Amino acid sequence: EADIYQTPRYLVIGTGKKITLECSQTMGHDKMYWYQQDPGMELHLIHYSYGVNSTEKGDLSSESTVSRIRTEHFPLTLESARPSHTSQYLCASSEGGGGMEAFFGQGTRLTVV
Amino acid sequence: SQQGEEDPQALSIQEGENATMNCSYKTSINNLQWYRQNSGRGLVHLILIRSNEREKHSGRLRVTLDTSKKSSSLLITASRAADTASYFCATAGPSGNTPLVFGKGTRLSVIA
Repeated sequence: EADIYQTPRYLVIGTGKKITLECSQTMGHDKMYWYQQDPGMELHLIHYSYGVNSTEKGDLSSESTVSRIRTEHFPLTLESARPSHTSQYLCASSEGGGGMEAFFGQGTRLTVV
Repeated sequence: SQQGEEDPQALSIQEGENATMNCSYKTSINNLQWYRQNSGRGLVHLILIRSNEREKHSGRLRVTLDTSKKSSSLLITASRAADTASYFCATAGPSGNTPLVFGKGTRLSVIA
């Protein structure tokens, strides 16, 4: 069982609300990632970080933002949620260098109504 | 950009049969990894094969890599109902310092 945790597991919110999805890992990994995945579909990288104060956008255009103030914490924020943001959000982490295996959280299933 | 493409998209087999899934990719890689995802859950790492390796085994899993064809296959032998899940390949770029790029996945159903 990987030591990476996402909260909440499920979230239903109204359009226009601001939300933050939490992701924490206790493995001391430098690299952390956020992927978006519609049910049964492929994963799309939306944000990643290679260390504290380092964040990059992924391949999928996203209206979300991230921060990396502490190694273990990589929250994702939506300033104004829309129905198009309804999806599953997966957080992952890996050790630095060499394309090491990624450890995933259980995901947050977000529904915007 | 997504570069892994799994084939088939969906596979249904009887318990005890072998399941083979294929993955193709487009650019040079440092390694290729296979992951499993149970419905509604996160992904779990299964096996990693480096670009200079051709075959790797782990329990009932066998992975092959053909860098000349930019393809990999995952074989699950003697499948069980508990193997029912989606399986994704993911590639790490040559430097190893880029995020993993995942394919679209193969949904495997093993019928008891």
